[in-house]
Amino acid sequence: EIVMTQSPATLSVFPGERATLSCTASQSLTSSLAWYQQKRGQPPRLLIYDASTRATGIPARFSGSGSGTEFTLTISSLQSEDLAIYYCQQYHNWPPLTFGGGTKVEIK
Amino acid sequence: EVQLLESGGGLAQPGGSLRLSCAASGFTFFNYAMHWVRQVPGKGLEWVSSISNSGSKIFYADSVKGRFTISRDNSKNTLYLQMNSLRADDTAIYYCAKAFRVTAVFERLFDYWGQGILVTVSS
Repeated sequence: EIVMTQSPATLSVFPGERATLSCTASQSLTSSLAWYQQKRGQPPRLLIYDASTRATGIPARFSGSGSGTEFTLTISSLQSEDLAIYYCQQYHNWPPLTFGGGTKVEIK
Repeated sequence: EVQLLESGGGLAQPGGSLRLSCAASGFTFFNYAMHWVRQVPGKGLEWVSSISNSGSKIFYADSVKGRFTISRDNSKNTLYLQMNSLRADDTAIYYCAKAFRVTAVFERLFDYWGQGILVTVSS
């Protein structure tokens, strides 16, 4: 099973500042990594797939990078509506599909 | 508009059974693999099970293998999860999720999710 580790657990950022979220895999994923956003009381929403491709309708301030075992989600200019928990998911080797534990983004 | 509506959740006793349904609309259901993902309230996401578009390929998490059965009825645009021998640690919100793309390889990304249905296992 591929173990996904996200850091930090909580990230507090001023509006307009950059937020950088990390996701580390226990083995290489090549680029088979997705990011989801989950707002309170809602299901997750696909943001990024194939490590760096934005899903349809996702604002350009969200970007993904990385390959192998180290991945990053960057929110270039944090907006108040970005308050959420962000999860990474590997789909390189399954079953099982595995998620990271999540990073909670707070607005300072 | 894609819609996924889960039903069938609620309270079950340890060792009991529940059958979840997920009614799909707004897309060509029989073209897409479908998935179940669960989330203990306030905790992270856990993949549960997946089924190919035809139903010929099925996968389970080890935590539910032998107890849960995923199935689909493409004539009714409905996904199911039969849950038997329920345990307290099965308590979670269960989401059905649509595969992102129609691909030759089993699609393991989720683009649309239902609102989720709460399953509580307690005596």
